[in-house]
Amino acid sequence: EPEVTQTPSHQVTQMGQEVILRCVPISNHLYFYWYRQILGQKVEFLVSFYNNEISEKSEIFDDQFSVERPDGSNFTLKIRSTKLEDSAMYFCASGITGRANYGYTFGSGTRLTVV
Amino acid sequence: AQKITQTQPGMFVQEKEAVTLDCTYDTSDQSYGLFWYKQPSSGEMIFLIYQGSYDEQNATEGRYSLNFQKARKSANLVISASQLGDSAMYFCAMREDSGYSTLTFGKGTMLLVSP
Repeated sequence: EPEVTQTPSHQVTQMGQEVILRCVPISNHLYFYWYRQILGQKVEFLVSFYNNEISEKSEIFDDQFSVERPDGSNFTLKIRSTKLEDSAMYFCASGITGRANYGYTFGSGTRLTVV
Repeated sequence: AQKITQTQPGMFVQEKEAVTLDCTYDTSDQSYGLFWYKQPSSGEMIFLIYQGSYDEQNATEGRYSLNFQKARKSANLVISASQLGDSAMYFCAMREDSGYSTLTFGKGTMLLVSP
């Protein structure tokens, strides 16, 4: 069964450093998403991406965050200058459609630890 | 107002028993989708079951069924014949047809299955 692949599974970085989280969505999917989950809390939407541009973003997705689809397969989330509170599990997801009656597939997540 | 409410922070069930995890939602959209995800201690988000707002029958997937009561805006997950491996966090989520259809998650219910 097709899956969304995220790398790395776990990343430790120093405060102030830039990190890039990588995702390979399912190949025929057109809609891409990043979510995050701070330990013990609910999953929160960060950003959605369609047709090579951001389609929606949450208040969390401020100027230190950016997303990119540098080639036909990868979808990346960059955090420019990490803060302690960026420590969380980051999930990438992809969907074939943006319609509500279709779900989308999550990757296994990248656990980011900022020290 | 919360879009997704899961009122049970934790639930206990004995192996082989059935358990119901509650979820209520709030939306003014006519078209929306309701999802349940399982998150084991390893952290990944595993899709379990989906119910569309126009579906007349309750969704079922193996041991999982969704008790959908549209007028009450509830979408409870029923797990029949619980297994030890069902111990995990369970999230209810909704996707509305407005906008780009991001998923909104509830706070989750931790299910513990005892022998």
